[in-house]
Amino acid sequence: DTGVSQDPRHKITKRGQNVTFRCDPISEHNRLYWYRQTLGQGPEFLTYFQNEAQLEKSRLLSDRFSAERPKGSFSTLEIQRTEQGDSAMYLCASSLEFGPTETQYFGPGTRLLVL
Amino acid sequence: AQSVTQLGSHVSVSEGALVLLRCNYSSSVPPYLFWYVQYPNQGLQLLLKYTSAATLVKGINGFEAEFKKSETSFHLTKPSAHMSDAAEYFCAVSDLESFQKLVFGTGTRLLVSP
Repeated sequence: DTGVSQDPRHKITKRGQNVTFRCDPISEHNRLYWYRQTLGQGPEFLTYFQNEAQLEKSRLLSDRFSAERPKGSFSTLEIQRTEQGDSAMYLCASSLEFGPTETQYFGPGTRLLVL
Repeated sequence: AQSVTQLGSHVSVSEGALVLLRCNYSSSVPPYLFWYVQYPNQGLQLLLKYTSAATLVKGINGFEAEFKKSETSFHLTKPSAHMSDAAEYFCAVSDLESFQKLVFGTGTRLLVSP
């Protein structure tokens, strides 16, 4: 069990540039979540996949954000035309169970800084 | 919708002292509650979770939490703090209306002094 991995761990970009983050969930986990965490706050839900289907998107996810999970394994989160307000830690989590008591396993996160 | 409130953004204790981190929930249905810990530059790690099987839940690293419906609380405790417990702690509730996404509190940073 190698855990959830995320790449890159850190990203510095200039305002207006596009960035893409990758998440590799724990093998065989069919559920995958993206959260965003800003300084001094808890993580906030962005979007959720069951296998390759994106089943829910938060209102936090503006049209500049897009997420994919093409083969039901790894996922990517792309932010187009980045803004300074996008600076945050982006966390990915995966789970295998189904139900309200499922355990979500989190990756180390990608810290984004938009200059 | 479910939500949690963590009282105290920072808690300071001495090594060996009792740790108490507070979490109150708001839910119209029986909640499913979680405590996660985040060490610097790392992701979140599950400490324990309440699944309605028992009101006193034991977790990893000597932590435990008690679900009290009458007080709508799920406070996290540890009898004796270690320096290695210094981290950020998040209480979370499972959003039953929305594919079990987690709704987190704002977190409590635990500081442990020698």
